Amino acid sequence: SQQGEEDPQALSIQEGENATMNCSYKTSINNLQWYRQNSGRGLVHLILIRSNEREKHSGRLRVTLDTSKKSSSLLITASRAADTASYFCATDVIQGAQKLVFGQGTRLTINP
Amino acid sequence: DTEVTQTPKHLVMGMTNKKSLKCEQHMGHRAMYWYKQKAKKPPELMFVYSYEKLSINESVPSRFSPECPNSSLLNLHLHALQPEDSALYLCASSQDFWNRKSSNQPQHFGDGTRLSIL
Repeated sequence: SQQGEEDPQALSIQEGENATMNCSYKTSINNLQWYRQNSGRGLVHLILIRSNEREKHSGRLRVTLDTSKKSSSLLITASRAADTASYFCATDVIQGAQKLVFGQGTRLTINP
Repeated sequence: DTEVTQTPKHLVMGMTNKKSLKCEQHMGHRAMYWYKQKAKKPPELMFVYSYEKLSINESVPSRFSPECPNSSLLNLHLHALQPEDSALYLCASSQDFWNRKSSNQPQHFGDGTRLSIL
């Protein structure tokens, strides 16, 4: 089942610029997570935001969550070539359990 | 380097073959997961093991047979696969499937096995 929609599907920016990706979901959640996937690799967990949190920071990452709109955004500041990857949001679809459903993902390309 | 190790990295098999994918983690995690990922798509959950017991089977065809021999190992046995089963198969683990102690539980992924069915 598809829980998350991500926007845009693809994003290409210059190194040093900020990148913003958005995620919308359909059901109530406990938390929302963002993962990164480099080409040909597995997913790497970036950040988790709980449903009672509105904003969270980790290094160059800033995540916001608006539960009233069922949406989240991931901002990467001062982008680097190494940030080139696909980014997925994931939501827990069973209360109190780690069953995650992933959004469609945003393919981010950072041009040097 | 990932903390979840998957072997083999690549696998090519015919539709009549039997093969197995292996996954190993030594983080003491008690939940392990199999996902299937097609190109340019998100991972889709197949199976979840919690404390070595199958907790979730997402209506996966019986040609895929999971096994969890112990808390560190997860296998996926493959038999009579179809060409549409060609995909990247990802294994993941987390501290627990049920958020008994904490809801702050990221999943740790291996780099996957890229499977091609001829």
